[in-house]
Amino acid sequence: DAGVTQSPTHLIKTRGQQVTLRCSPKSGHDTVSWYQQALGQGPQFIFQYYEEEERQRGNFPDRFSGHQFPNYSSELNVNALLLGDSALYLCASSLAGTGTYEQYFGPGTRLTVT
Amino acid sequence: RKEVEQDPGPFNVPEGATVAFNCTYSNSASQSFFWYRQDCRKEPKLLMSVYSSGNEDGRFTAQLNRASQYISLLIRDSKLSDSATYLCVVNAWPRELIFGTGTLLAVQP
Repeated sequence: DAGVTQSPTHLIKTRGQQVTLRCSPKSGHDTVSWYQQALGQGPQFIFQYYEEEERQRGNFPDRFSGHQFPNYSSELNVNALLLGDSALYLCASSLAGTGTYEQYFGPGTRLTVT
Repeated sequence: RKEVEQDPGPFNVPEGATVAFNCTYSNSASQSFFWYRQDCRKEPKLLMSVYSSGNEDGRFTAQLNRASQYISLLIRDSKLSDSATYLCVVNAWPRELIFGTGTLLAVQP
């Protein structure tokens, strides 16, 4: 049973650049959520995708955007990178309609902005 | 006030000890509650869901007190492998999961 996968595992970018992170959900899951985790903090919700649409969004600027594809995989795009965007970016998948809201995380992408 | 608050620790305990973590949440509409475990530089992994009746999974027991808006996790007979950060998580549909900052546990030999 394939778990959640993310790519790349590590990334180094320069301020002002753009980055795209990718996620494939756990087999059988249809919902993807993205989180940002800064050092020493718990994950912070960025947004959630279901049926190829953004269903919920956290308190993140429009520089953060995403997409979900028909196969349920998802991308997170961040434009005009700032030093403060350096963090571990986590993707979590779940199955809508189960009523449990349990989410399973991928290994994350560690983004460093210099 | 943070939506989910936890004591960051660290909790340093000897092997075999019993340790308890508490967590409080501010949104009374929260409906689902979880404990996740996160090892250093790894992703969070679901440890257990927390139900109003309380639930147990081996050495781990979770309790929910809706009236006081608090959640607890008890670990009995601590193992070295239990060393990790334990994240308290709540959800109020249709909102996302809200994570605490985590409690660091270090089990000493």
